[in-house]
Amino acid sequence: QVQLQESGPRLVKPSQTLSLTCTVSGGSISSGSYYWSWIRQPAGKGLEWIGRIHISGSTNYNPSLKSRVTISVDMSKNQISLKLNSVTAADTAVYYCARDRITLSFDPWGQGTLVTVSS
Amino acid sequence: QSALTQPASVSGSPGQSITISCTGTSSDVGAYDYVSWYQQYPGKAPKLMIYEVTTRPSGVSNRFSGSKSGNTASLTISGLQAEDEADYYCSSYTRSSTRVFGGGTKVTVL
Repeated sequence: QVQLQESGPRLVKPSQTLSLTCTVSGGSISSGSYYWSWIRQPAGKGLEWIGRIHISGSTNYNPSLKSRVTISVDMSKNQISLKLNSVTAADTAVYYCARDRITLSFDPWGQGTLVTVSS
Repeated sequence: QSALTQPASVSGSPGQSITISCTGTSSDVGAYDYVSWYQQYPGKAPKLMIYEVTTRPSGVSNRFSGSKSGNTASLTISGLQAEDEADYYCSSYTRSSTRVFGGGTKVTVL
């Protein structure tokens, strides 16, 4: 069964770029017509959808983050990447990657990784 | 896009039924039957409980059911159990091809 694992720096300085990778195991990201999404959750708060990418390279982003976000896919490595630039403390959150199914629901999810923005 | 509106908390006694509402607009919840619900325990990743408004994934208890009327979707948990105490989030596809979540509802089993 497909499993997702987020990885990347846990601490990012303000104004710098947050970079995370989601590695997919148990299946190829190029099989099936899936999107792959990034979602975040500040401590004690709700979920916020960041954006998604299709294996074709087609992307959709949350309008509130669009100017700062880039999501890409590397099929050779079975990975999806997230870059969020010009970060502030408000970007401190647990970041999840999730498969975005044809039924437009998220399943499965990675375990999440906490990224803290601080100097 | 604005977050979908959910009650902050809902509680019930074991064995009772509770319903969590999720209110959006004609541009999201009301536009498509692509509402999904997620259960999240503290420190854990969310788990898909309902998709396409009413469908349960394999392995999810039939005590969980979903519905929708107009711009409001609902998740009902029947025969409430202690293990149902968690946070619940709704999500919807939007006319802009984006996704939006609700603010989350904390379910407490009394």
